[in-house]
Amino acid sequence: SYELTQAPSVSVSPGQTARITCSGDALPKQYAYWYQQKPGQAPVLVIYKDSERPSGIPERISGSSSGTTVTLTISGVQAEDEADYYCQSADSSGTVVFGGGTKLTVL
Amino acid sequence: EVQLVESGGGLVKPGGSLRLSCAASGFTFNNAWMSWVRQAPGKGLEWVGRIKSKTDGGTTDYAAPVKGRFTISRDDSKNTLYLQMSSLKTDDTAVYYCTTANDWGQGTLVTVSS
Repeated sequence: SYELTQAPSVSVSPGQTARITCSGDALPKQYAYWYQQKPGQAPVLVIYKDSERPSGIPERISGSSSGTTVTLTISGVQAEDEADYYCQSADSSGTVVFGGGTKLTVL
Repeated sequence: EVQLVESGGGLVKPGGSLRLSCAASGFTFNNAWMSWVRQAPGKGLEWVGRIKSKTDGGTTDYAAPVKGRFTISRDDSKNTLYLQMSSLKTDDTAVYYCTTANDWGQGTLVTVSS
């Protein structure tokens, strides 16, 4: 079955840039979406269609795509950015898949 | 404001059945593709399945672990999404979210245990 691969954890200091990657063979042909989830809360969409930002999401959160890897970049990381981040996409048949999630720790 | 409110969770024995509901408001429900996503305790997000809008065929797709046991349906007259779960297993224990992809409910907990 199709898988999206994310590193389990990323750590950065406040003010630095965090980059969270997601790899999958179908990513060149399927859009990626990114969700932020804080403990005890529902996920929040932060990036859709690889690089589009929903209203209300700060500009320091951005997305990009290159080949079989998509990247979520958070510039000027703040304590409030500490959360789990999940990428989501689909395989060639349209079946939706989530990555395993990356825990972002702000040191 | 978009609101998605799940209900129907609870404790059920292995092999049992349960129906979850998701009441939607604040958007044109009959035009929306709706999904169920679950999250086992301490684990990541797992897609359960999706139902398209009736204008897009109203068809359903399911993840392999639930195919044949779970059924997603919708009642556009009531702005409500459903998840009928049967032959439940302990592995189905999770918080179940309904989502438009852009918006998510707060989830309802399903515990499958003897």
